[in-house]
Parts: sequence; structure tokens; C-alpha cells
Amino acid sequence: NAGVTQTPKFQVLKTGQSMTLQCAQDMNHEYMSWYRQDPGMGLRLIHYSVGAGITDQGEVPNGYNVSRSTTEDFPLRLLSAAPSQTSVYFCASTKRPGLGGSETQYFGPGTRLLVL
Amino acid sequence: AQSVTQPDIHITVSEGASLELRCNYSYGATPYLFWYVQSPGQGLQLLLKYFSGDTLVQGIKGFEAEFKRSQSSFNLRKPSVHWSDAAEYFCAVGAGGYSTLTFGKGTMLLVSP
Repeated sequence: NAGVTQTPKFQVLKTGQSMTLQCAQDMNHEYMSWYRQDPGMGLRLIHYSVGAGITDQGEVPNGYNVSRSTTEDFPLRLLSAAPSQTSVYFCASTKRPGLGGSETQYFGPGTRLLVL
Repeated sequence: AQSVTQPDIHITVSEGASLELRCNYSYGATPYLFWYVQSPGQGLQLLLKYFSGDTLVQGIKGFEAEFKRSQSSFNLRKPSVHWSDAAEYFCAVGAGGYSTLTFGKGTMLLVSP
């Protein structure tokens, strides 16, 4: 298994450009999430999905769109990049937790994004 | 909503000395607790997790953590630190039945010779 993969590894954008960060997992996990990591802020949840066709907002969703058409893929779209979106982006996946339970999240290697 | 506090932004420990990284959480029900480690420029690696049962949890690389409900804490410990342990450590809490985590802001561990 490749686990959780993310592309690209690095990206430089100009303000106002759009792009899509790709995330894929081959573990047949139902749940997938996007986090951003900024210095001194830890990781903050952007959007998440509990299955194909179902997405919801996290703590910092503004400026980002997601969709989930397949179990394997969960792309993150920046419609009009801003310098405040300069960050490292991590995708994660996990099995569906049991009732009231929890499961381990598996993280991808991250995408470093610089918006000029 | 749950939250996680890691009171120490940086900690410096001499190689061979013991280590304790603090983590306090806020959550109304039984929490699911995790410690992740991140080396510079790398992704996150799970060190250990607490879901239920024994409150002392063993992880990889010689790390352990103890869940103390009365103190709302989940501190990470290692008896003897190696230079390769220098990294940033994140504590996280998951709410039961959900798929996402709330992270602390991280503690950077520096290991001196």
C-alpha cells in the first residue's frame, strides 16, 4: 500500500491564481481530511469528508473548496490564492470509527505552498 | 468543542537525560488522545495513542504517555533522549465518533550534546 499520497510536493503561486492539491489513499478509508500547518499554530482542520459525496467544513474553511467523488480521492481547491494561504497542507485518512469510538489518522507527506 | 494545550513551545534536553512533554486537553467526554512527531520538512508520524483501558500507553521509539483524567493531561515521556529525537511533537485529541483531530500548537524538542 502507498498509504496517503499528495501532489505536488511544492508549489509557488501568484496571488489570484487557482490550483488543486491532490490527495489519494489506497486503504479504502471512508474518512478523509485536509489540515493546514502554520508556524506556532499546530495543524488546523480545513475540510473533511465522511464518505463519497459528503463533505463538511472544519475550523478554517474560507478560501478552500473540496469535493469527494470517489472513496480514494479528496482534492482541495484554492479558487483565488492569497498570501495568507501560504502554508503546508496535509491530507489524512482514517477508517470509519465505531459508535463513539475513534481510529488512527494516517497523514500524507504534505504539500508546501507559497503564494506571492 | 475540544481543545489541546501544549504549554512549552521549546524544550532543550541533554542527550541521555529524561524527557517529559506536557499536554492538557479539554473535552467533555472520554477523549481519544494521540502524540505525533514531525521531523523538519517531514510529515507526521504517530508515536502512540490512547483510546481506552490502561492509562499508561507504550509507543514507538521508546516513548510512553500517561492519561490522567483528573488532571486532563496526557504527558509524553522518554527515559533517555537520543539526538535523533530532536523534532516537533504534537498532542491531539479526537472526539468519539468523529474522524478529525484537534491539535495542540506543538513543542519543539532540542537535544544538546
